[in-house]
Amino acid sequence: QVQLVQSGAEVKKPGDSVRLSCKASGFTFTDYAMHWVRQAPGQRLEWMGWINTGNGNTKYSQNFQGRVTITRDTSANTAYMELSSLTSEDTAVYYCAREMSFTGFDYWGQGALVTVSS
Amino acid sequence: QSVLTQPPSASGTPGQRVTISCSGSSSNIGTTYVYWYQQFPGTAPKLLIYRNYERPSGVPDRFSGSKSGTSASLAISGLRSEDEAEYYCAAWDDSLGGPVFGGGTKLTVL
Repeated sequence: QVQLVQSGAEVKKPGDSVRLSCKASGFTFTDYAMHWVRQAPGQRLEWMGWINTGNGNTKYSQNFQGRVTITRDTSANTAYMELSSLTSEDTAVYYCAREMSFTGFDYWGQGALVTVSS
Repeated sequence: QSVLTQPPSASGTPGQRVTISCSGSSSNIGTTYVYWYQQFPGTAPKLLIYRNYERPSGVPDRFSGSKSGTSASLAISGLRSEDEAEYYCAAWDDSLGGPVFGGGTKLTVL
């Protein structure tokens, strides 16, 4: 069955970076784009960026430009998201989600809570 | 930043039909598909509607979507207690180069 399994919760200090992983199984990894979406406490979902898992091309939200990097390892069927220069406003649950051809984010990871606190 | 506007709350009694609206602009809903997601506390969102009105397999036909101009709606008929959740609309935004989400509507089943 399709699964996206994310790495665990992280606690970081302001100024740190965090790298999250999203391991895919149950489908052909390179057939789908992988997106990263975050949700701060009590806030709306916020799209961060996506990667074409086939060729590695990326597109990032301008709201995170310069701070977010999304990569993938096709041999491990895993996507990664690194966010740098963390502040308390980056405290959120971070999700990966797959998507193909405007069919929406049909499978999501379980989410990873990142807490930024001094 | 472009965002989509939803009412913060909606409610209905079991068996009723409720609708949730989503308002956008020409840079998102007006030119692209609308999606709807359902989210229960502490869990990841679940795709309910894609491409304005299509349902993924497994989503009951009690859920339906529509779009007109720069607005969209999600309708839930035959309301059930298990429908109590947060509902988010989403659409690709040309300005952002990615999807924008609504603020969410908390549905209460009375």
